[in-house]
Amino acid sequence: DGGITQSPKYLFRKEGQNVTLSCEQNLNHDAMYWYRQDPGQGLRLIYYSQIVNDFQKGDIAEGYSVSREKKESFPLTVTSAQKNPTAFYLCASCLGGYNEQFFGPGTRLTVL
Amino acid sequence: AQKITQTQPGMFVQEKEAVTLDCTYDTSDPSYGLFWYKQPSSGEMIFLIYQGSYDQQNATEGRYSLNFQKARKSANLVISASQLGDSAMYFCAMREGGDTGRRALTFGSGTRLQVQP
Repeated sequence: DGGITQSPKYLFRKEGQNVTLSCEQNLNHDAMYWYRQDPGQGLRLIYYSQIVNDFQKGDIAEGYSVSREKKESFPLTVTSAQKNPTAFYLCASCLGGYNEQFFGPGTRLTVL
Repeated sequence: AQKITQTQPGMFVQEKEAVTLDCTYDTSDPSYGLFWYKQPSSGEMIFLIYQGSYDQQNATEGRYSLNFQKARKSANLVISASQLGDSAMYFCAMREGGDTGRRALTFGSGTRLQVQP
């Protein structure tokens, strides 16, 4: 079945460590996105990529990095520079135009 | 300024009744799209309905309809015949910029809907 997978579902990190969240899609979508959701709030855009080997900062990119070496994959690294990384992270992809964005199941990151 | 405003943090509705979730938006772009997503407690985001800025008719998808009032910049979601499974967070979102824009969504803060038996 086509869809978006994110792993791991839960992630615990010690302060000062970098961690990488995985996002893979087999929908043949060009565009991929990373959002962050804090408790009781909406989603905020971290990074997005509209094509392989190209990506752009979103509204809250500080402390995060991404890569887009393959169309199917858009991993997000949460670096030690991110001051408050505990949150729910959602990956999405989109075919183009005004099509709906399909979301993965999310990764819940907790910094200990 | 907030681009998407959802003024109802929480709503209650009786099972089988209709409910309206409010959403207002702010944009100067003539080309934009409005989306509603449902987020159950599991965290997944489920697409419900889409309205384009140039669409003449209000969008409908099963029990969901979007009351689009362009002059008022509002895009309210109407859920008819509420079911217990409709209990969730609901997010209004907007995409601006046409095909050359970043195509990312800007989300509101959400409305928590609770359907009571």
